[in-house]
Amino acid sequence: DQQVKQNSPSLSVQEGRISILNCDYTNSMFDYFLWYKKYPAEGPTFLISISSIKDKNEDGRFTVFLNKSAKHLSLHIVPSQPGDSAVYFCAATRNNNDMRFGAGTRLTVKP
Amino acid sequence: ETGVTQTPRHLVMGMTNKKSLKCEQHLGHNAMYWYKQSAKKPLELMFVYSLEERVENNSVPSRFSPECPNSSHLFLHLHTLQPEDSALYLCASSHAQWGTGELFFGEGSRLTVL
Repeated sequence: DQQVKQNSPSLSVQEGRISILNCDYTNSMFDYFLWYKKYPAEGPTFLISISSIKDKNEDGRFTVFLNKSAKHLSLHIVPSQPGDSAVYFCAATRNNNDMRFGAGTRLTVKP
Repeated sequence: ETGVTQTPRHLVMGMTNKKSLKCEQHLGHNAMYWYKQSAKKPLELMFVYSLEERVENNSVPSRFSPECPNSSHLFLHLHTLQPEDSALYLCASSHAQWGTGELFFGEGSRLTVL
């Protein structure tokens, strides 16, 4: 039962352009959503999060949008930089012991 | 010392071997987790320990046996594994009472079962 889905396994964008990574979830009980970034040979690292009571959270070049009615969230990176090339995991949780992850989207930012 | 350290980074074992993965966190957290990452699949939560008590076991086969002797250390004991158990095993830690829900991951232990 995959409750968090990232339907695009990969995304390629040009440096300086916007990267938009998408995530869908099925469990309406999720109340907190997170994005993690993973470089090869490293563990995932936390990037940005959003509570279900909000619809937008911004941190520098990274913005996460939440559409609860559509059970959809997205991560916008603008402007994209080559160092942003990594695998991005969407995650959702409904209590502090049950975090579910998507399969990840590999972002490649071309110089 | 990095926040969450996993050893060994790579492990190759036969199906009849017994081995263990070790995780140590230096962040003062009191919850620790084992996740399994298989190719092109979501991270799968295996075990959760909060305040050294196991609170989650997501129907993991008994050939995987966790141990949490204290809030800083977590082990995953492996016994008679199958080739399909080959994967990246990630340890993570957090505060048991989360504010942001953020997990801190180790670099993972890449397991290959022959």
